[in-house]
Amino acid sequence: SAVISQKPSRDICQRGTSLTIQCQVDSQVTMMFWYRQQPGQSLTLIATANQGSEATYESGFVIDKFPISRPNLTFSTLTVSNMSPEDSSIYLCSYTGQEYMNTEAFFGQGTRLTVV
Amino acid sequence: GNSVTQMEGPVTLSEEAFLTINCTYTATGYPSLFWYVQYPGEGLQLLLKATKADDKGSNKGFEATYRKETTSFHLEKGSVQVSDSAVYFCALANSGGYQKVTFGTGTKLQVIP
Repeated sequence: SAVISQKPSRDICQRGTSLTIQCQVDSQVTMMFWYRQQPGQSLTLIATANQGSEATYESGFVIDKFPISRPNLTFSTLTVSNMSPEDSSIYLCSYTGQEYMNTEAFFGQGTRLTVV
Repeated sequence: GNSVTQMEGPVTLSEEAFLTINCTYTATGYPSLFWYVQYPGEGLQLLLKATKADDKGSNKGFEATYRKETTSFHLEKGSVQVSDSAVYFCALANSGGYQKVTFGTGTKLQVIP
């Protein structure tokens, strides 16, 4: 399986600012996913990012707030825009395999964001 | 749509106790089922998985059996250790490539000496 690296691993940001999180995979993957894990909560999918096309956002998430780039098959970024304390969460990038019956997801270590 | 329901936590057990964390699911078709674990301060990692009915996933002494008739995938371990203290997430993904994963709410396990 490919190794996923995320950075920054953590950050403390002022409200109203934006933070871009980078996700690097050490081999090519077709689809990448961005999740949010709010404190004490489960993982919620933000969007699916396919190389060469616009990201597909889940209900409750919009591109203006969470713009995503996917310039190639090994890299993606998620920006958290105009942050508020409610955006304090762990953000994780992920990919799943292409095999029909082997849809295991692999995760980066996550970015722990605190908005003050 | 897909959904996963797992037992509420936190669960507190003494070392060497038996662990069960219940998980049931709703999905179309024949999903793959997973248990992920998140140790304190760490990222999410796969603990075990099962891809078809009656399959048993196992790892590190943990087991879970894919029960299609009861749409369940309960996690069990015969003798827990302090090092098993973590948050455990039940999850599923549909068959077919590049599927997104649906997670349960997570169950926090604390094992005390």
